[in-house]
Amino acid sequence: GENVEQHPSTLSVQEGDSAVIKCTYSDSASNYFPWYKQELGKGPQLIIDIRSNVGEKKDQRIAVTLNKTAKHFSLHITETQPEDSAVYFCAASKGSNYQLIWGAGTKLIIKP
Amino acid sequence: EAEVAQSPRYKITEKSQAVAFWCDPISGHATLYWYRQILGQGPELLVQFQDESVVDDSQLPKDRFSAERLKGVDSTLKIQPAELGDSAMYLCASSLDSRPGTSGGRAKNIQYFGAGTRLSVL
Repeated sequence: GENVEQHPSTLSVQEGDSAVIKCTYSDSASNYFPWYKQELGKGPQLIIDIRSNVGEKKDQRIAVTLNKTAKHFSLHITETQPEDSAVYFCAASKGSNYQLIWGAGTKLIIKP
Repeated sequence: EAEVAQSPRYKITEKSQAVAFWCDPISGHATLYWYRQILGQGPELLVQFQDESVVDDSQLPKDRFSAERLKGVDSTLKIQPAELGDSAMYLCASSLDSRPGTSGGRAKNIQYFGAGTRLSVL
Protein backbone atom coordinates (compact mmCIF):
# COMPACT_ATOMS: atom_id res chain seq x y z
CA GLY A 1 0.00 0.00 0.00
CA GLU A 2 0.87 3.68 -0.07
CA ASN A 3 3.38 5.07 2.41
CA VAL A 4 4.08 8.76 2.92
CA GLU A 5 7.21 9.98 4.69
CA GLN A 6 7.54 13.58 5.84
CA HIS A 7 10.60 15.57 6.92
CA PRO A 8 11.61 17.29 9.08
CA SER A 9 9.53 16.47 12.13
CA THR A 10 10.29 19.91 13.60
CA LEU A 11 11.34 23.07 11.76
CA SER A 12 12.27 26.32 13.43
CA VAL A 13 12.73 29.42 11.27
CA GLN A 14 13.14 33.13 11.88
CA GLU A 15 10.12 35.28 11.16
CA GLY A 16 10.32 36.52 7.58
CA ASP A 17 12.43 33.61 6.37
CA SER A 18 11.21 30.76 4.18
CA ALA A 19 10.24 27.27 5.31
CA VAL A 20 10.33 24.08 3.25
CA ILE A 21 8.72 20.77 4.22
CA LYS A 22 9.29 17.65 2.12
CA CYS A 23 7.31 14.46 1.57
CA THR A 24 7.92 11.29 -0.39
CA TYR A 25 5.35 8.73 -1.44
CA SER A 26 5.67 5.14 -2.57
CA ASP A 27 2.67 4.44 -4.83
CA SER A 28 3.18 5.80 -8.35
CA ALA A 29 -0.60 5.63 -8.88
CA SER A 30 -1.18 8.40 -6.33
CA ASN A 31 -2.45 11.48 -8.11
CA TYR A 32 -3.66 13.96 -5.49
CA PHE A 33 -1.45 15.60 -2.85
CA PRO A 34 -2.98 17.97 -0.29
CA TRP A 35 -1.29 19.86 2.53
CA TYR A 36 -3.13 20.46 5.78
CA LYS A 37 -2.38 22.84 8.64
CA GLN A 38 -3.40 21.87 12.16
CA GLU A 39 -3.41 24.42 14.95
CA LEU A 40 -3.51 23.41 18.59
CA GLY A 41 -6.90 22.03 19.59
CA LYS A 42 -8.30 22.18 16.06
CA GLY A 43 -8.86 19.81 13.19
CA PRO A 44 -6.62 19.88 10.09
CA GLN A 45 -7.44 22.54 7.53
CA LEU A 46 -6.56 22.31 3.83
CA ILE A 47 -4.11 25.04 2.80
CA ILE A 48 -3.11 23.95 -0.70
CA ASP A 49 -3.30 20.88 -2.92
CA ILE A 50 -1.88 19.68 -6.22
CA ARG A 51 -2.78 17.04 -8.77
CA SER A 52 -0.29 14.86 -10.58
CA ASN A 53 -0.79 16.65 -13.92
CA VAL A 54 0.69 19.86 -12.48
CA GLY A 55 4.27 20.47 -11.35
CA GLU A 56 3.78 23.55 -9.20
CA LYS A 57 0.98 25.56 -7.64
CA LYS A 58 1.07 28.87 -5.77
CA ASP A 59 -1.33 30.66 -3.48
CA GLN A 60 0.08 33.93 -2.12
CA ARG A 61 2.92 32.97 0.28
CA ILE A 62 2.38 29.22 -0.10
CA ALA A 63 3.52 26.99 -2.94
CA VAL A 64 3.66 23.26 -3.55
CA THR A 65 5.96 21.48 -6.01
CA LEU A 66 5.60 17.92 -7.27
CA ASN A 67 8.22 15.68 -8.83
CA LYS A 68 6.41 12.58 -10.11
CA THR A 69 9.56 10.87 -11.28
CA ALA A 70 11.18 11.08 -7.87
CA LYS A 71 7.83 10.68 -6.09
CA HIS A 72 8.24 13.61 -3.83
CA PHE A 73 6.43 16.86 -3.18
CA SER A 74 7.25 19.89 -1.08
CA LEU A 75 5.52 22.76 0.70
CA HIS A 76 7.16 26.18 0.52
CA ILE A 77 6.13 29.05 2.78
CA THR A 78 7.75 32.41 2.12
CA GLU A 79 7.90 35.48 4.39
CA THR A 80 6.85 33.42 7.39
CA GLN A 81 4.68 35.04 10.04
CA PRO A 82 3.89 34.07 13.66
CA GLU A 83 0.47 32.77 12.61
CA ASP A 84 2.19 30.18 10.41
CA SER A 85 3.24 28.32 13.56
CA ALA A 86 1.35 25.01 13.51
CA VAL A 87 1.71 21.34 12.56
CA TYR A 88 1.67 20.72 8.81
CA PHE A 89 0.67 17.39 7.26
CA CYS A 90 1.17 16.15 3.73
CA ALA A 91 -1.00 13.41 2.29
CA ALA A 92 -1.44 11.39 -0.88
CA SER A 93 -4.36 9.63 -2.49
CA LYS A 94 -5.48 7.81 -5.61
CA GLY A 95 -8.64 8.45 -7.52
CA SER A 96 -10.40 5.23 -6.59
CA ASN A 97 -11.85 6.28 -3.24
CA TYR A 98 -10.03 9.52 -2.37
CA GLN A 99 -8.69 8.06 0.85
CA LEU A 100 -5.76 10.04 2.20
CA ILE A 101 -2.53 8.48 3.42
CA TRP A 102 -0.92 10.93 5.77
CA GLY A 103 2.62 11.89 6.66
CA ALA A 104 3.62 12.08 10.32
CA GLY A 105 3.54 15.87 10.42
CA THR A 106 6.00 18.75 10.78
CA LYS A 107 5.84 21.14 13.70
CA LEU A 108 6.72 24.58 12.31
CA ILE A 109 7.96 27.12 14.82
CA ILE A 110 8.32 30.75 13.78
CA LYS A 111 10.81 32.60 15.97
CA PRO A 112 10.15 36.35 16.46
CA GLU B 1 -18.96 29.21 6.39
CA ALA B 2 -20.27 25.65 6.78
CA GLU B 3 -18.38 23.50 9.27
CA VAL B 4 -18.21 19.91 10.41
CA ALA B 5 -19.66 19.75 13.93
CA GLN B 6 -18.37 17.30 16.51
CA SER B 7 -19.33 16.67 20.11
CA PRO B 8 -18.23 16.42 22.78
CA ARG B 9 -14.96 18.33 22.48
CA TYR B 10 -13.45 16.48 25.41
CA LYS B 11 -14.30 13.16 27.04
CA ILE B 12 -12.72 11.54 30.08
CA THR B 13 -13.72 8.00 30.87
CA GLU B 14 -12.51 5.00 32.79
CA LYS B 15 -11.38 1.85 31.04
CA SER B 16 -14.13 -0.67 30.34
CA GLN B 17 -16.71 2.11 30.04
CA ALA B 18 -18.61 2.91 26.84
CA VAL B 19 -18.10 6.19 24.98
CA ALA B 20 -19.78 7.71 21.95
CA PHE B 21 -18.82 10.55 19.63
CA TRP B 22 -21.12 12.44 17.32
CA CYS B 23 -20.44 14.13 13.98
CA ASP B 24 -22.59 16.31 11.74
CA PRO B 25 -20.94 16.82 8.33
CA ILE B 26 -21.27 19.81 6.04
CA SER B 27 -24.73 19.87 4.49
CA GLY B 28 -24.81 18.04 1.18
CA HIS B 29 -21.60 16.09 1.77
CA ALA B 30 -22.16 12.46 0.90
CA THR B 31 -18.86 11.11 2.22
CA LEU B 32 -18.00 11.01 5.91
CA TYR B 33 -14.75 9.85 7.51
CA TRP B 34 -13.78 9.00 11.07
CA TYR B 35 -10.09 9.26 11.93
CA ARG B 36 -8.04 8.60 15.04
CA GLN B 37 -5.05 10.83 15.68
CA ILE B 38 -2.48 9.90 18.29
CA LEU B 39 -0.41 12.80 19.60
CA GLY B 40 2.51 13.49 17.30
CA GLN B 41 1.17 11.44 14.41
CA GLY B 42 -0.96 11.93 11.33
CA PRO B 43 -4.63 10.95 11.26
CA GLU B 44 -5.41 7.26 10.75
CA LEU B 45 -8.62 6.38 8.90
CA LEU B 46 -11.01 4.24 10.92
CA VAL B 47 -14.10 4.19 8.71
CA GLN B 48 -15.41 5.82 5.54
CA PHE B 49 -19.11 6.21 4.70
CA GLN B 50 -20.71 7.01 1.37
CA ASP B 51 -24.21 8.17 2.30
CA GLU B 52 -25.39 5.53 4.80
CA SER B 53 -23.12 2.74 3.52
CA VAL B 54 -19.72 1.77 4.81
CA VAL B 55 -17.08 2.05 2.07
CA ASP B 56 -14.11 0.99 4.13
CA ASP B 57 -13.83 -0.10 7.76
CA SER B 58 -10.75 -2.27 7.37
CA GLN B 59 -8.85 -0.34 10.06
CA LEU B 60 -11.74 -0.23 12.55
CA PRO B 61 -11.16 -2.54 15.57
CA LYS B 62 -14.56 -4.15 15.27
CA ASP B 63 -14.37 -6.05 18.53
CA ARG B 64 -14.83 -2.77 20.39
CA PHE B 65 -15.54 -0.02 17.88
CA SER B 66 -18.72 0.56 15.89
CA ALA B 67 -19.86 3.35 13.61
CA GLU B 68 -23.16 4.18 12.02
CA ARG B 69 -24.68 6.77 9.72
CA LEU B 70 -28.24 5.59 9.64
CA LYS B 71 -29.85 8.33 7.53
CA GLY B 72 -26.76 9.25 5.58
CA VAL B 73 -26.31 12.54 7.40
CA ASP B 74 -24.87 12.61 10.93
CA SER B 75 -22.81 9.78 12.35
CA THR B 76 -21.91 8.19 15.67
CA LEU B 77 -18.68 6.40 16.58
CA LYS B 78 -18.83 4.18 19.66
CA ILE B 79 -16.19 2.42 21.72
CA GLN B 80 -17.19 -0.33 24.14
CA PRO B 81 -15.31 -1.13 26.27
CA ALA B 82 -12.74 1.66 26.19
CA GLU B 83 -9.10 0.72 26.78
CA LEU B 84 -6.16 2.85 27.89
CA GLY B 85 -4.70 2.71 24.36
CA ASP B 86 -7.80 4.38 22.94
CA SER B 87 -6.72 7.75 24.33
CA ALA B 88 -6.42 9.96 21.24
CA MET B 89 -8.11 12.68 19.21
CA TYR B 90 -11.05 11.40 17.17
CA LEU B 91 -11.61 13.47 14.06
CA CYS B 92 -14.55 13.53 11.70
CA ALA B 93 -14.26 14.81 8.16
CA SER B 94 -16.62 15.12 5.22
CA SER B 95 -16.26 15.60 1.50
CA LEU B 96 -18.61 16.19 -1.38
CA ASP B 97 -18.71 12.72 -2.94
CA SER B 98 -15.97 10.11 -3.16
CA ARG B 99 -17.64 7.91 -5.73
CA PRO B 100 -15.46 7.42 -8.84
CA GLY B 101 -16.88 8.87 -12.02
CA THR B 102 -19.17 11.45 -10.46
CA SER B 103 -18.77 15.11 -11.31
CA GLY B 104 -17.33 17.70 -8.97
CA GLY B 105 -13.72 18.07 -10.06
CA ARG B 106 -11.20 19.15 -7.45
CA ALA B 107 -13.90 19.82 -4.88
CA LYS B 108 -14.59 16.09 -4.59
CA ASN B 109 -11.15 15.46 -3.08
CA ILE B 110 -11.25 18.07 -0.36
CA GLN B 111 -11.88 16.74 3.13
CA TYR B 112 -13.17 19.23 5.70
CA PHE B 113 -12.46 18.41 9.33
CA GLY B 114 -14.24 19.07 12.56
CA ALA B 115 -12.41 20.22 15.70
CA GLY B 116 -12.29 16.66 17.02
CA THR B 117 -13.05 14.94 20.31
CA ARG B 118 -10.14 14.49 22.71
CA LEU B 119 -10.61 11.19 24.53
CA SER B 120 -8.73 10.35 27.71
CA VAL B 121 -9.14 6.85 29.13
CA LEU B 122 -8.06 6.49 32.75
